[in-house]
Amino acid sequence: GAVVSQHPSWVICKSGTSVKIECRSLDFQATTMFWYRQFPKQSLMLMATSNEGSKATYEQGVEKDKFLINHASLTLSTLTVTSAHPEDSSFYICSAREAGDEKLFFGSGTQLSVL
Amino acid sequence: AQSVTQLGSHVSVSEGALVLLRCNYSSSVPPYLFWYVQYPNQGLQLLLKYTSAATLVKGINGFEAEFKKSETSFHLTKPSAHMSDAAEYFCAVTLTDKLIFGTGTRLQVFP
Repeated sequence: GAVVSQHPSWVICKSGTSVKIECRSLDFQATTMFWYRQFPKQSLMLMATSNEGSKATYEQGVEKDKFLINHASLTLSTLTVTSAHPEDSSFYICSAREAGDEKLFFGSGTQLSVL
Repeated sequence: AQSVTQLGSHVSVSEGALVLLRCNYSSSVPPYLFWYVQYPNQGLQLLLKYTSAATLVKGINGFEAEFKKSETSFHLTKPSAHMSDAAEYFCAVTLTDKLIFGTGTRLQVFP
């Protein structure tokens, strides 16, 4: 089956620093990638949708200048949390889909802890 | 607007017992419905999906779900639980690209 690799699986950083999370589709071309955030005991929350070669579409309430998303190729999307603060600590997960297929494939997630 | 509700954040069953995980959705038109499973330290994995074909959908690992429009439900069942079924299960709904997830149900299986 299709594989989506997300890296790193966990990261601890100091407040004020930036963190980059990578999401790669290993055996298919991901024309669309989604970034989700999960708070403890809550549902996954869609943050943004990115299509290869175009700007990401952010959900209401998500700061696009804080959560920078780049989808420069058909196999890689990155989420950069800029100037991270403790309230950004959360579980971030990406998912990807190929053009013409509604099936989503998920990465294994990244646990971010900001000290 | 679409939404999905999973009743019961935790469900515990004995090995061999029936598994029933509840999911109710809200949508103005029949949506696509999914059940995902997340095993410890792994990514979400698709269990099964409903896309307006047969109302009874069979998935992997012996799971199945029935779409009931009159009840706006898509409950997940398995006749006989196995220890390896212990995981977090998510119901999700979509009309277009956006997937809306439920809050998840953690299934525990006791010997």
